[in-house]
Amino acid sequence: DGGITQSPKYLFRKEGQNVTLSCEQNLNHDAMYWYRQDPGQGLRLIYYSQIVNDFQKGDIAEGYSVSREKKESFPLTVTSAQKNPTAFYLCASSMGQSSTDTQYFGPGTRLTVL
Amino acid sequence: AQSVTQLGSHVSVSEGALVLLRCNYSSSVPPYLFWYVQYPNQGLQLLLKYTSAATLVKGINDFEAEFKKSETSFHLTKPSAHMSDAAEYFCAVNGQGAQKLVFGQGTRLTINP
Repeated sequence: DGGITQSPKYLFRKEGQNVTLSCEQNLNHDAMYWYRQDPGQGLRLIYYSQIVNDFQKGDIAEGYSVSREKKESFPLTVTSAQKNPTAFYLCASSMGQSSTDTQYFGPGTRLTVL
Repeated sequence: AQSVTQLGSHVSVSEGALVLLRCNYSSSVPPYLFWYVQYPNQGLQLLLKYTSAATLVKGINDFEAEFKKSETSFHLTKPSAHMSDAAEYFCAVNGQGAQKLVFGQGTRLTINP
């Protein structure tokens, strides 16, 4: 079955540690996205990538980094510079860059900083 | 620039009653509009989208939404609520030529038996 997988589902981190969230898609989509979800705030865009080896900052990129070395993979690193990293993180992908393209979402990773 | 306002962070209806979730948008270019549903601890699933074809859009699970340019609205409706409709619903806008989907804050729908 085609889809988007995110791992792990739950992640715990100590303050001061970097942590990497995995996102893999087998939909052959060109574009991939990372969102952060906090209660009552909807989804906010962290980073997005329209093509391999290229990515752009979203609205809340500070304290995060990404890479896009392969079409199917778009890992997100939450660095120690992120002041409040506890949140639900969602990865998405779309076929292309058109404004009408549907974004398909993974199941999410819940990150908790201890 | 685009933005979305969802009126009502919580909506509660009885099983079998009409569901109405409100969404108003702002966009400086012709908008494309989406409704997504999220069940607890899961990702988002597309319910329907408007891409400048028919103004009345039908989606999955008997949901539909009507694009009203004069009111800058894209409200989501379902004639008869089912217990399985309990979830959080997000309205989102993307403008022609834009590359970012902008989401509303979400509306949590509760169904009373």
